[in-house]
Amino acid sequence: QVQLVESGGGVVQPGRSLRLSCAASGFTFNTYAMHWVRRAPGKGLEWVAVISYDGKHNYYADSVKGRFTISRDNSKNTIYLQMNSLKPEDTAIYYCAKDYRPRDWDLLLDYWGQGTLVTVSS
Amino acid sequence: DIVMTQSPDSLAVSLGERATINCKSSQSVLFTSNNKNYLAWYQQKPGQPPKLFIYWASTRESGVPDRFSGSGSGTDFTLTISSLQAEDVAVYYCQQYFSTPPAFGQGTKVEVK
Repeated sequence: QVQLVESGGGVVQPGRSLRLSCAASGFTFNTYAMHWVRRAPGKGLEWVAVISYDGKHNYYADSVKGRFTISRDNSKNTIYLQMNSLKPEDTAIYYCAKDYRPRDWDLLLDYWGQGTLVTVSS
Repeated sequence: DIVMTQSPDSLAVSLGERATINCKSSQSVLFTSNNKNYLAWYQQKPGQPPKLFIYWASTRESGVPDRFSGSGSGTDFTLTISSLQAEDVAVYYCQQYFSTPPAFGQGTKVEVK
């Protein structure tokens, strides 16, 4: 069965960096686009970024563009989210999610990990 | 960018009664070449990740009870729970996947009255 396990969350000061990881199993990882989505405390879901199945294409929400970088290592079945210049408003649970369509992206998210909590605070 | 707006923000329904959640998109999410609405619904229970429930506006994901149904087209959509059960207490989100960036509604919290 599909499993997505996030790691790397924690408490970090404003302006600092953090890298999240998401290890995938149970499906042919190198044929699916992957996403990061976050949920801030008391707020709704906010899509963050997507990376294509081959790592060649990505897209970001305006709120993180220029600060966050999504990447993947298909040899390790893992995606990453490098978060720089963190702000208090980046505090959230970060979920990785699998795209529905192979070889392309549908932006439809059919499997989600349990999430990892990032807290940006001094 | 497409903006998704749900109503109401929360609702309390008696067990066995009908619950209706509305979702409106700022632009049509109907792709005319395949006549599909790029609209999904997710359920999120406390302490759990979101779960895909309905896609293409009305197709239930495998394992989703048939008391859940989705309807609508273009810019206006509805999620209906025909007979609310205790295990349906959750926050429900609509999401458009018609164009980047994908966008979620603000969520609707469903509780038992």
